[in-house]
Amino acid sequence: GAGVSQSPSNKVTEKGKDVELRCDPISGHTALYWYRQSLGQGLEFLIYFQGNSAPDKSGLPSDRFSAERTGGSVSTLTIQRTQQEDSAVYLCASSLGWATNEKLFFGSGTQLSVL
Amino acid sequence: AQSVSQHNHHVILSEAASLELGCNYSYGGTVNLFWYVQYPGQHLQLLLKYFSGDPLVKGIKGFEAEFIKSKFSFNLRKPSVQWSDTAEYFCAVNAPGANNLFFGTGTRLTVIP
Repeated sequence: GAGVSQSPSNKVTEKGKDVELRCDPISGHTALYWYRQSLGQGLEFLIYFQGNSAPDKSGLPSDRFSAERTGGSVSTLTIQRTQQEDSAVYLCASSLGWATNEKLFFGSGTQLSVL
Repeated sequence: AQSVSQHNHHVILSEAASLELGCNYSYGGTVNLFWYVQYPGQHLQLLLKYFSGDPLVKGIKGFEAEFIKSKFSFNLRKPSVQWSDTAEYFCAVNAPGANNLFFGTGTRLTVIP
């Protein structure tokens, strides 16, 4: 597609359930990022993938969060045993190269609501 | 650790007014600086960026930003705003080659026709 695609756009779940969020980056982009935006907060870095290198997981807030990127393209962010504080907009971005001086292209995000 | 401060949470201006949105960062080394914008119902997109060279950077739609190293600032300016500039503006900073881009909390700009 022409841009970064995220699905679902909205997800409502019950506390304790697992959720999967999907990101399709722009074709040919080697770098992929996940960010989280909570109400009134800036964008919080979660994880970064670059090609076949080991991901930078330094931003993941707990071991309930994990992400993978299959075949260097599609990425899935999984949150296990969701908590109410996980409610946020989860944004995915991709860029052409490895360095963050590259322009990031963002998706429209997944609004996650944990009841 | 790097952090980014945007002190203006919500700015309301009339059309043709001048705009300046503040951005300060805390990082002692060389940095790359960005402004991203999110128009209503649209994705975040890059407005402008600074890596090196001329500290006055020109971006799209008449925006500019000035990097003042001594003040650790990268304020966004526009001489005359339009209704279509209504959006949320995010300042971001990172160390060259670093994976993480640190974003501020954003400033919501409302331009009244």
